[in-house]
Amino acid sequence: NAGVTQTPKFRVLKTGQSMTLLCAQDMNHEYMYWYRQDPGMGLRLIHYSVGEGTTAKGEVPDGYNVSRLKKQNFLLGLESAAPSQTSVYFCASTYGLSGPYEQYFGPGTRLTVT
Amino acid sequence: RKEVEQDPGPFNVPEGATVAFNCTYSNSASQSFFWYRQDCRKEPKLLMSVYSSGNEDGRFTAQLNRASQYISLLIRDSKLSDSATYLCVVNTLTGGGNKLTFGTGTQLKVEL
Repeated sequence: NAGVTQTPKFRVLKTGQSMTLLCAQDMNHEYMYWYRQDPGMGLRLIHYSVGEGTTAKGEVPDGYNVSRLKKQNFLLGLESAAPSQTSVYFCASTYGLSGPYEQYFGPGTRLTVT
Repeated sequence: RKEVEQDPGPFNVPEGATVAFNCTYSNSASQSFFWYRQDCRKEPKLLMSVYSSGNEDGRFTAQLNRASQYISLLIRDSKLSDSATYLCVVNTLTGGGNKLTFGTGTQLKVEL
């Protein structure tokens, strides 16, 4: 049981390049989330999904897109990276509305945009 | 006003000390509350949930005051291994499902 895994762990992009971050969970969780964490800002929700085939915007969705084609995977895309997207990205999952509400986090992806 | 506010610290305490962290939240409709722990350059992990009656887990005690919209975490007999950032987290049920709001964290450094 791997829990929540993220690929890649580190990445350096040039401004304007694109990339996709992959999140996978093997706990059969319904809800999945993408957060970014910046110094002094705390974790901020980018997008989330309440089930396969559904996604919704979070607090800071601009510049990102997501897809949830399979229940166990949640992809985060950056179409045209900007230096402001330099951050640590965490994926998380939880059972769903019926609880429990503990979110399980992946190890994070450290992204630098130059 | 931030939805969840914490004193960022750092709190530097000697081993064996008792330390308390406070957190306030702004949404009175929030339903459940948690403390997460985050080690340097690692992912957040659940430390404990916070119940209205207060709850204890070994050296850790969490309290919730709904009237004052205030959450606390007490750590007794601090260990070096307790050094980390402690995140106050508030769950609110919205039309889109559960929404977790994270505080920016309080940094604890336990020293010899």
